Amino acid sequence: EPEVTQTPSHQVTQMGQEVILRCVPISNHLYFYWYRQILGQKVEFLVSFYNNEISEKSEIFDDQFSVERPDGSNFTLKIRSTKLEDSAMYFCASSEARQGGSYNSPLHFGNGTRLTVT
Amino acid sequence: AQTVTQSQPEMSVQEAETVTLSCTYDTSESNYYLFWYKQPPSRQMILVIRQEAYKQQNATENRFSVNFQKAAKSFSLKISDSQLGDTAMYFCAFMKLGGSQGNLIFGKGTKLSVKP
Repeated sequence: EPEVTQTPSHQVTQMGQEVILRCVPISNHLYFYWYRQILGQKVEFLVSFYNNEISEKSEIFDDQFSVERPDGSNFTLKIRSTKLEDSAMYFCASSEARQGGSYNSPLHFGNGTRLTVT
Repeated sequence: AQTVTQSQPEMSVQEAETVTLSCTYDTSESNYYLFWYKQPPSRQMILVIRQEAYKQQNATENRFSVNFQKAAKSFSLKISDSQLGDTAMYFCAFMKLGGSQGNLIFGKGTKLSVKP
């Protein structure tokens, strides 16, 4: 079964550094998402992306964050200047169709990237 | 704003027995979806079951079933004939119909341990 893959599985970075988290969504999926989970906390929505632009973003997704689909397969999350509180598990997800509408397909999540900011 | 509450941080069950995980939510929306996701130690979030709020019939997927009580805003997950592979974190999630694209609201999760 096709999977969403995320790399790296664990990334350690120093405060103030830029970090890029990478995701390869399922190939025929059109909608892409980032979620994060701070240790012991809820999984939180960050951003959704469709047709090469952001569809929706949460309050968490401030100017320090950006997303990009640089080619036909990768979907990246960039944090420009990491803070200690950015330490979390970051999940990428994709879906074939639009969520919240007719709901044709579920979100498929990757295994996550654990980001540790020191 | 919508909220999802899972009041059981941890639960355990003996293999082959039945366990019920609780979830309540708060919303003013009338049309929405509810989900249970499983997160095993491999960390991948796997959809277990989903329920459309407009459907009165409770969703069922093999050993997994839900008890959806719309008026009470309750959405519990029952796992029958528990297996060792069911050991995982289980997250209840809410999504309103229309507008949001993939904006799932998650609960804090319940850690389920299935004991041999």
